[in-house]
Amino acid sequence: GAVVSQHPSWVICKSGTSVKIECRSLDFQATTMFWYRQFPKQSLMLMATSNEGSKATYEQGVEKDKFLINHASLTLSTLTVTSAHPEDSSFYICSAFGGVGETQYFGPGTRLLVL
Amino acid sequence: SQKIEQNSEALNIQEGKTATLTCNYTNYSPAYLQWYRQDPGRGPVFLLLIRENEKEKRKERLKVTFDTTLKQSLFHITASQPADSATYLCADEGQGGKLIFGQGTELSVKP
Repeated sequence: GAVVSQHPSWVICKSGTSVKIECRSLDFQATTMFWYRQFPKQSLMLMATSNEGSKATYEQGVEKDKFLINHASLTLSTLTVTSAHPEDSSFYICSAFGGVGETQYFGPGTRLLVL
Repeated sequence: SQKIEQNSEALNIQEGKTATLTCNYTNYSPAYLQWYRQDPGRGPVFLLLIRENEKEKRKERLKVTFDTTLKQSLFHITASQPADSATYLCADEGQGGKLIFGQGTELSVKP
């Protein structure tokens, strides 16, 4: 089956620093990648939709200047949390979508802890 | 507004029994619903997709139903095992492929 990887799997950083998370589709080309955030005991909340070569589309309430998304190729999307604060601590999960009628494949997630 | 809800936060059952999880939707009619499994600290894993014109779909010990009259999808795990313990999420695919998830139901299967 299709595999999506995320790197790093966990990261601890100081408040005010920026953190970059990579999402890669390893054996297929993803027309679209999605970024989700999940707080403890809650479901996944979509943050943004990322299409290769174009600007990401952010969900209502998600600050695009804080969560920078770059979709450089059909197999790589990155999420940068800029000037991270403790309230940004969460589990960030990406998914890759091969197109209409295709299943989304999720990465293993990245746990971010901001001190 | 469109809503998709899983009304049980947690479900505890005995090994060997059938687990039944519920997903309800309101104020719209999804063309299909998806079910995912999520283990702690991991991303969701796709299990089954059922379309609105399909009454039932099966995969090994899993069965999903779609009742457009009740506006509900049921997810069944027969002969449940402790290894089935996880959080199960239903999801609707919206415009552009983005998924809207229910809150999830945490299933615990006791030996």
